[in-house]
Amino acid sequence: EAAVTQSPRNKVTVTGGNVTLSCRQTNSHNYMYWYRQDTGHGLRLIHYSYGAGNLQIGDVPDGYKATRTTQEDFFLLLELASPSQTSLYFCASSDLRGANYAEQFFGPGTRLTVL
Amino acid sequence: GDSVTQTEGLVTLTEGLPVMLNCTYQSTYSPFLFWYVQHLNEAPKLLLKSFTDNKRPEHQGFHATLHKSSSSFHLQKSSAQLSDSALYYCALSDRGQGGSAKLIFGEGTKLTVSS
Repeated sequence: EAAVTQSPRNKVTVTGGNVTLSCRQTNSHNYMYWYRQDTGHGLRLIHYSYGAGNLQIGDVPDGYKATRTTQEDFFLLLELASPSQTSLYFCASSDLRGANYAEQFFGPGTRLTVL
Repeated sequence: GDSVTQTEGLVTLTEGLPVMLNCTYQSTYSPFLFWYVQHLNEAPKLLLKSFTDNKRPEHQGFHATLHKSSSSFHLQKSSAQLSDSALYYCALSDRGQGGSAKLIFGEGTKLTVSS
């Protein structure tokens, strides 16, 4: 069974704080993604990666950095958190091979609150 | 550029009535189309996806037909159940043209089924 895990599941920080969200996948997928989900906006892509050391800019990258350290691990960094970054964050993985071609598998999400 | 449009933000139905959620798309190439479902406090997960051989995908009573002439992939079910209440996303993959595995998501349709 494909697996994507995220930590922490909930995080509260203050404005200006430093936050790192972690994602690990055991699917042996090349692609990993970070999304944010807000009511009225659906899923919005922040950053994605197609392998260790690679980073691609998504649709809403401002205020976010990301780093892909291994095939399994993808991190999202908020270095100066702002209340506008209060959201539900999902990580996902996918690949362009086999029966699950392009299908994205999502982690359980991290709820971030910036006070 | 590629895009997905879900015209209804909210659909409210009575149990037993048919379900139809609209999805239209624009794509430079011949894409794969997906429907994802997200129940309350859960992650999005794949509901069904288009096939290359034009077979009609079905899952949990839902089906969708890819109509290339009208660029549509509407989601249908003959009889709504209370458990179908969820957020539904339509998404397309450009088949990795240019090396990208990104999915383009629509803004989502919230389906509420009442008794």
